[in-house]
Amino acid sequence: DTEVTQTPKHLVMGMTNKKSLKCEQHMGHRAMYWYKQKAKKPPELMFVYSYEKLSINESVPSRFSPECPNSSLLNLHLHALQPEDSALYLCASSHPGLAGKSSYNEQFFGPGTRLTVL
Amino acid sequence: GEDVEQSLFLSVREGDSSVINCTYTDSSSTYLYWYKQEPGAGLQLLTYIFSNMDMKQDQRLTVLLNKKDKHLSLRIADTQTGDSAIYFCAEKTGFQKLVFGTGTRLLVSP
Repeated sequence: DTEVTQTPKHLVMGMTNKKSLKCEQHMGHRAMYWYKQKAKKPPELMFVYSYEKLSINESVPSRFSPECPNSSLLNLHLHALQPEDSALYLCASSHPGLAGKSSYNEQFFGPGTRLTVL
Repeated sequence: GEDVEQSLFLSVREGDSSVINCTYTDSSSTYLYWYKQEPGAGLQLLTYIFSNMDMKQDQRLTVLLNKKDKHLSLRIADTQTGDSAIYFCAEKTGFQKLVFGTGTRLLVSP
């Protein structure tokens, strides 16, 4: 199984709503990632979890709150979002690699959740 | 910071070769990647090259790396209509961090 699944595929929410995006993988990967991709732009890294601990936060606003409840699941909790947060949110997973050592560590991407904030 | 730059658009005819170029930013990047994104989909890794290599061939794909100029290219031989997509180069700037290029939209016409 080399698949990363994401739910929901599409989400429309108001600025006062609270919602969550979910990501799941069963490849035994211990690194999981959230990326944000605006239309006609490249993906931008938001968060990285290694061994279920947050290892990278790319100065993301606190209205985005990630959570890694176990080694297969990654959530992104959304609260009080702004219309400019509308984007495709991509999850990825990989083997975590070793800190200080560069290695190939292919990232496998899910299909994304297309989020619209009204 | 600087962007990883790619040309915006490339149009070719079916059966021709396509060459997509990328100028990356970090001379210490150890791995460089090419990803493909079809409409409404996530990213699919096509190929990668380690920084101590000049060239890598993988079936229809050829990657060339010029470290001196920080230039990476992807050549697709015998391009097919199914190759129409957006192609992103990416550099590995930290042990878990990928920075993606601006993306090149490839359109293949019959």
